[in-house]
Amino acid sequence: AQSVSQHNHHVILSEAASLELGCNYSYGGTVNLFWYVQYPGQHLQLLLKYFSGDPLVKGIKGFEAEFIKSKFSFNLRKPSVQWSDTAEYFCAVSRDGQNFVFGPGTRLSVLP
Amino acid sequence: EAGVAQSPRYKIIEKRQSVAFWCNPISGHATLYWYQQILGQGPKLLIQFQNNGVVDDSQLPKDRFSAERLKGVDSTLKIQPAKLEDSAVYLCASSLSQGSYEQYFGPGTRLTVT
Repeated sequence: AQSVSQHNHHVILSEAASLELGCNYSYGGTVNLFWYVQYPGQHLQLLLKYFSGDPLVKGIKGFEAEFIKSKFSFNLRKPSVQWSDTAEYFCAVSRDGQNFVFGPGTRLSVLP
Repeated sequence: EAGVAQSPRYKIIEKRQSVAFWCNPISGHATLYWYQQILGQGPKLLIQFQNNGVVDDSQLPKDRFSAERLKGVDSTLKIQPAKLEDSAVYLCASSLSQGSYEQYFGPGTRLTVT
């Protein structure tokens, strides 16, 4: 069975710092990759997704992620975080629109 | 556009009791998902429907959990009998189709089993 790991449980940054959240998955075949975000008191929502093509994917709110197939990784990045980015971030993997597996999540706290 | 609706938002039951959760997906969305999210963990897929057919229920504990999606719209998830370890948030999500992949999540139902 496929699995997803996220490197950090809780990340604390100051505003304007750069962000990188790690995500690794175990499945060796063709996968679809996602980052979801849950802001305090809100529903889970999609940040960005990768299906195929350019391994550098741009999402909403200035986030991007890079798919590195050889490393089974899909790390999330943002050059300059804001206080409003405080949230929980989940990496997820699926195969052909099925078998969705989410990582355990990384809590990001941005200090003003 | 109305989002995914779930009810109830909170439920407290004793172990061995039964409970049911309801989900109404976004209008026109063919694919519906139920997830279980235990505190401190990511969502775990329990069951995925495409219209009213089951696509994936490999992680659904079928001895106590059941789900249905009659007429391919609303869905209910039932637990009977509940155990302490079932305490979690139960999330419903929907997507336009199995191929579109973007899932829209509801607010969840927080279940506490005492």
